[in-house]
Amino acid sequence: GAGVSQTPSNKVTEKGKYVELRCDPISGHTALYWYRQSLGQGPEFLIYFQGTGAADDSGLPNDRFFAVRPEGSVSTLKIQRTERGDSAVYLCASRRQGNTGELFFGEGSRLTVL
Amino acid sequence: KQEVTQIPAALSVPEGENLVLNCSFTDSAIYNLQWFRQDPGKGLTSLLLIQSSQREQTSGRLNASLDKSSGRSTLYIAASQPGDSATYLCAVNSGGSNYKLTFGKGTLLTVNP
Repeated sequence: GAGVSQTPSNKVTEKGKYVELRCDPISGHTALYWYRQSLGQGPEFLIYFQGTGAADDSGLPNDRFFAVRPEGSVSTLKIQRTERGDSAVYLCASRRQGNTGELFFGEGSRLTVL
Repeated sequence: KQEVTQIPAALSVPEGENLVLNCSFTDSAIYNLQWFRQDPGKGLTSLLLIQSSQREQTSGRLNASLDKSSGRSTLYIAASQPGDSATYLCAVNSGGSNYKLTFGKGTLLTVNP
């Protein structure tokens, strides 16, 4: 597609439930990032994929968070046993290998945990 | 640990004014710096990317400067328009080729007609 696509755009769930958020990067972009943005804050890094592998997952807050990118394109961020503090906008970004380094972001998935 | 600060947190100006948004960072060993725009409820739109070896970048009415040694960047917007109203975010890449960005909290700009 023309840009980074994220689904769902909005997700409301109950505390303790499991959630999956999907990111479809720009075609041909090998690097993919997940960020989390809380209200009034800048985005915070969660995890970075280069191809199929997680090159840096140092931003994942705890082991309830996990992300995969099995075929090197679409990525899924998985959150187990959701907590109210997980409520935020989850942003995905992609970058073409070897370019100037500019990141292109999707519209985000707004997660609300009740 | 890299920290990014943006001043002011909010700015309101009349249409037509030139304005400057400020960004400072604590670790000057950066790879590049990127300015983004974010409209309410939307994702981030990249405005300008400055490599560590560059002093400034220009795109239309926007000009971004970088002073790496002092840990500062500015975004200059000329002849502001109501459509420029948005949150402007500064992000620093200190992670080298993995392009892991550290963001400021942003400046909320309102341009009044």
